[in-house]
Amino acid sequence: EVQLVESAGGLVQPGRSLTVSCAASGFTFSNYAMHWIRQVPTKGLEWVASISPSGGGTYYRDSVKGRFTISRHNAKNTLYLQMDSLRSEDSATYYCATHSELGFDSWGQGVMVTGSS
Amino acid sequence: EIVLTQSPTTIGASPGEKVTITCRATSSVSYIYWYQQKPGASPKPWIYDTSKLASGVPNRFSGSGSGTSYSLTINTMETEDAATYYCQQWSSSPWTFGGGTKLELK
Repeated sequence: EVQLVESAGGLVQPGRSLTVSCAASGFTFSNYAMHWIRQVPTKGLEWVASISPSGGGTYYRDSVKGRFTISRHNAKNTLYLQMDSLRSEDSATYYCATHSELGFDSWGQGVMVTGSS
Repeated sequence: EIVLTQSPTTIGASPGEKVTITCRATSSVSYIYWYQQKPGASPKPWIYDTSKLASGVPNRFSGSGSGTSYSLTINTMETEDAATYYCQQWSSSPWTFGGGTKLELK
């Protein structure tokens, strides 16, 4: 069974950094592109970043480019999202997700990140 | 960026009723993907490649459309179908979602 378990999020002051992780199990992690998607409470979904199976290709939405870094450690079956220079508008629940023909296939339980002073 | 607009934003349906949710794109997309999300839970893939049902999705659901206009239809509403449904496109980065349609049980 595919499992994606995100690390705890937290309350972060605007301008500071936070790294969240996603531990994967139940599938061959190194074979799959992975994504981060966020959801503002009671609002919709927004794609944030993607990474190729090898980690050699990374893709970001414009609003996080230069501030967020997606990475992966295939030997540890773990996906990361480093968020620097956090803004209040980055406050959301962040989900990691696998990629398949179904689109964003399996999703983690989500981790809440709040940027507030 | 391709903007996806879903309508209606909220809809109420009684058991047995037919429900249709539409998703319109600002530019043509090759396929649309649909996700179901229930309160407190993560989204689940529901329909992919416009009309293919994900594993476990009841066949009372169907998807159709092309170009800039797509729809998700429930032939006969059931209690368990109450949820929020999101459409999404992979045709052009950034990958975008519709704003969601909340389907409530009447």
